[in-house]
Amino acid sequence: DQQVKQNSPSLSVQEGRISILNCDYTNSMFDYFLWYKKYPAEGPTFLISISSIKDKNEDGRFTVFLNKSAKHLSLHIVPSQPGDSAVYFCAAIMKTSYDKVIFGPGTSLSVIP
Amino acid sequence: DVKVTQSSRYLVKRTGEKVFLECVQDMDHENMFWYRQDPGLGLRLIYFSYDVKMKEKGDIPEGYSVSREKKERFSLILESASTNQTSMYLCASSFQILARDGYTFGSGTRLTVV
Repeated sequence: DQQVKQNSPSLSVQEGRISILNCDYTNSMFDYFLWYKKYPAEGPTFLISISSIKDKNEDGRFTVFLNKSAKHLSLHIVPSQPGDSAVYFCAAIMKTSYDKVIFGPGTSLSVIP
Repeated sequence: DVKVTQSSRYLVKRTGEKVFLECVQDMDHENMFWYRQDPGLGLRLIYFSYDVKMKEKGDIPEGYSVSREKKERFSLILESASTNQTSMYLCASSFQILARDGYTFGSGTRLTVV
């Protein structure tokens, strides 16, 4: 049973518009969340993160929102650019004896010029 | 920039073969990880290591082992390759055991077992 879910396998957005990628989680023990971006033939690269004590974190065109009561987070990309076309993985961290990271299945974003 | 290098981009192996996937990082990171990526399942942790000669099982260690004889090198071993181990394998490293600053990943090895 997946603890981190990304229910949209793919998303297409027009260049210049907003991209919203969603992520849901089931375990209330997660206390930190990250987004990774992956281009084909490359490894994932860290994009942005948010602690569970915050509800928003912004870095340039990228903003992550966290709704703890709904166990939901989203990544907003504004404005979307063709270079943003990639697979985006949501990841959640649970503190155990180490930081246990659980990745979602990913959402493939296509930004159409 | 931290670099994590995986020795092979593509590998094709036969069922029953012993397979070695190599990973080297050049920034003196303590922690190294092996993940596999499968469609619809995301990245799943196979093994990780937080020090030389130390190893810990991840979520799906069955059929795999690892070796870390030197700090910069972390090897994933498929003792007897099977077709269900066909996957994309990703190595990662981090300076601290805390994952909050993100991991640095290699480009991946696409392994096909026939």
